Amino acid sequence: DAGVIQSPRHEVTEMGQEVTLRCKPISGHNSLFWYRQTMMRGLELLIYFNNNVPIDDSGMPEDRFSAKMPNASFSTLKIQPSEPRDSAVYFCASSLRQGPAYEQYFGPGTRLTVT
Amino acid sequence: EDQVTQSPEALRLQEGESSSLNCSYTVSGLRGLFWYRQDPGKGPEFLFTLYSAGEEKEKERLKATLTKKESFLHITAPKPEDSATYLCAVGSQKLVFGQGTRLTINP
Repeated sequence: DAGVIQSPRHEVTEMGQEVTLRCKPISGHNSLFWYRQTMMRGLELLIYFNNNVPIDDSGMPEDRFSAKMPNASFSTLKIQPSEPRDSAVYFCASSLRQGPAYEQYFGPGTRLTVT
Repeated sequence: EDQVTQSPEALRLQEGESSSLNCSYTVSGLRGLFWYRQDPGKGPEFLFTLYSAGEEKEKERLKATLTKKESFLHITAPKPEDSATYLCAVGSQKLVFGQGTRLTINP
């Protein structure tokens, strides 16, 4: 069975450009999470969805970040406009049970570099 | 605010040399403590969930234990393929991750 799928795996863009990261969760999973990982701050939760509905977006850094989940098999994280400090690895994870306090399964990540 | 502190930051062992990684936490309403393994360039891989003090879980050379204030990941007779970063996370309102312990096993 396929795990969490993320695309692209690598993204290099210039400051000010729009960036869209994509995620396909494990089929049948009810919760989806977006994380950001940096050396300085480690792994941080940005936002999570239960049954396609955003539940907690308190980790989203600012209004430049937005996330959507139009259906159970697809989610996007958009950064507009991008800035160099957004450079990080972005992970998507999904969980069978609803809510953040259960085991989560992570995708391979998207490495974003903003120059 | 929920906090997770892992120690040591890095650990280098010889193959077969057993040791333990520590995860100390403060959380309001623990709903689970999680251990993950992360290899370079990959996403974290789920290992264990512990729910209550005194609980233990085992998988191959790894054993995780839990008390009211900390968790240990014991590695028995490790092999080079056990080299990775091990992440601990506590679940309450959300998963809060520690900074990880980077483990290197030399052959």
